[in-house]
Parts: sequence; structure tokens; C-alpha cells
Amino acid sequence: NAGVTQTPKFRVLKTGQSMTLLCAQDMNHEYMYWYRQDPGMGLRLIHYSVGEGTTAKGEVPDGYNVSRLKKQNFLLGLESAAPSQTSVYFCASSYGGGTNQPQHFGDGTRLSIL
Amino acid sequence: DQQVKQNSPSLSVQEGRISILNCDYTNSMFDYFLWYKKYPAEGPTFLISISSIKDKNEDGRFTVFLNKSAKHLSLHIVPSQPGDSAVYFCAARWAGAGSYQLTFGKGTKLSVIP
Repeated sequence: NAGVTQTPKFRVLKTGQSMTLLCAQDMNHEYMYWYRQDPGMGLRLIHYSVGEGTTAKGEVPDGYNVSRLKKQNFLLGLESAAPSQTSVYFCASSYGGGTNQPQHFGDGTRLSIL
Repeated sequence: DQQVKQNSPSLSVQEGRISILNCDYTNSMFDYFLWYKKYPAEGPTFLISISSIKDKNEDGRFTVFLNKSAKHLSLHIVPSQPGDSAVYFCAARWAGAGSYQLTFGKGTKLSVIP
């Protein structure tokens, strides 16, 4: 059982380039999330989705866009990468938002922007 | 302003002894608290949680205590094992309509010395 899979695992971009991070889950979860983690910081929520076709902003949404065209996939896009977006990005999913439905995380994508 | 604080960046404990990781929060609207464990190059994994209506939850070697009046929770690991060496994140959920967001602390790195 793969759980939450993130693609790619590593990427180096130049300032101004665009890219899309892919998150796929095989647990039939309704909710999916994108977080970033910076050195010495906790995880901060970028965007999330409570179902196919829905998205919502989290704590730090600026500079990112997301799409949830299929229930199992949640895409995070950077239209014009900036050095401040250098971070480790984690995707997570959960069955719902209830208290007995914790989020399951992927192993992260390490993104460096030069 | 940090709403979830883990004031100890690191903690070292002898194998077999008790590990106590602490977490403080400022938002009285948090209704659900979780602990996640993270190994290097992996995503966080859910460890244990507690609802704000309880003051203790136990799962094997792991116990979480919640003191609502002090806005403080702690994770106890007894006995500590070398495999417990990881970064532990405290997270809290805000009780509000449509709120599925978790707020994370910065983490505490636990080292269990054999």
C-alpha cells in the first residue's frame, strides 16, 4: 500500500521558472493538503481540498496554485518560482476533517530555487 | 505570532527512561491536539491525539496529557527506545465551521541514547 506519493522528490529551479508538484493517494481520502516546511519551522498549510473539484487557501497561499481534478490527485503549482519558495513541501491526505481522522503525509519534495 | 509553541528544540534521554516533550498553545479555540513523529527524509507520521474534552490519552508507551487551564500539553514516552529518536511535532486544530487546518509547532528533536 503506497499511501501518499509525492513526485518529484528533489528539484532545482531557476528564479522565474514554473513547475508542478504532484501528490497521489490511494486511500480513497476526501481531504488533501499541501504544506511547506522551512528550517527551524513547523509545517505551514499552503492550500487544501475537501473533495474533488474543491480547493481552499491555507495560511501561506501566495505564489501557489492548486488543482484537484481527480479525487486521488492534488497538484501544487508554482507559476513563477522565487528563492523564498525554497523549502520542503509535504502533501497529506485524510478521510475527513474529524477528530479520529488524522492526516497521512508523503515523504516530501525538496525544492531549491536559485 | 506562534499559536503552538514547542520551546525545547532538542531533548536527550537515556534508553529506558521517560521522555517528556512539551507543547504550549495560545488559542483557546483549539479543540483537538495531535503529535506527529518525523524521521529524516520522511514525512511526519501520526502518533497520538487528544480531544480538548479529555485530559489524558494513552496508547502503549505513549501518553498525552492536556491541561486546558494552562494551555499546555505533553507527550510522555515510557520506556524510551533508540528507535524513538526523531523530531516530534505538536499540532492543534481550531474548532470552527469548515476549519480543517492544523497549526504545527516547530518541533522537538528527541535523541534516545543507548
